Amino acid sequence: DGGITQSPKYLFRKEGQNVTLSCEQNLNHDAMYWYRQDPGQGLRLIYYSQIVNDFQKGDIAEGYSVSREKKESFPLTVTSAQKNPTAFYLCASSIYNLRQGAEEQYFGPGTRLTVT
Amino acid sequence: GENVEQHPSTLSVQEGDSAVIKCTYSDSASNYFPWYKQELGKRPQLIIDIRSNVGEKKDQRIAVTLNKTAKHFSLHITETQPEDSAVYFCAASFPGGGADGLTFGKGTHLIIQP
Repeated sequence: DGGITQSPKYLFRKEGQNVTLSCEQNLNHDAMYWYRQDPGQGLRLIYYSQIVNDFQKGDIAEGYSVSREKKESFPLTVTSAQKNPTAFYLCASSIYNLRQGAEEQYFGPGTRLTVT
Repeated sequence: GENVEQHPSTLSVQEGDSAVIKCTYSDSASNYFPWYKQELGKRPQLIIDIRSNVGEKKDQRIAVTLNKTAKHFSLHITETQPEDSAVYFCAASFPGGGADGLTFGKGTHLIIQP
């Protein structure tokens, strides 16, 4: 735990409004990710960023936007174009594991967004 | 892209018994397979992982096995305890795909019956 923070923990918005979810990490990780979690759906990748000022769409990017102006920060905006925005949103960051030859991901505590 | 199937979706076992959760993956290039545990309302936590050049890895009461030929891997929890109750996710990533994000299974809700 620790190192990756998300705020707020709970967020309520009216339909038609854009909302921005915060994600900050002080782990000096290069890569950061946003996932959406729905019941029975597991974790689905929205966007990811390998370096500052660069990001790529994941599997379900429609209706979302991101920015990566600083290494420590990767905010996610849920736009009014997202048809079903109510979900649990998880941010993660990763470091390359030399032993595994792969990237271990560490998750933030999540933000539960409810749109009515 | 990669596709990960996870079974069962719910698993109920008696305290002290063993639990096994199975995952299959589609991309034979995948080489990293982590398992995450998520307690209710909390973030997923990495509990064990395995790379494709290893067939089995154990850490106290948990172990993971990997069958590359069949493209499946399993999580084994022995001597289950109440604190093992959680949702468990398997995941897979392929070379250079780590930064694309892991592909997750849909999760298994493990219930430990007292």
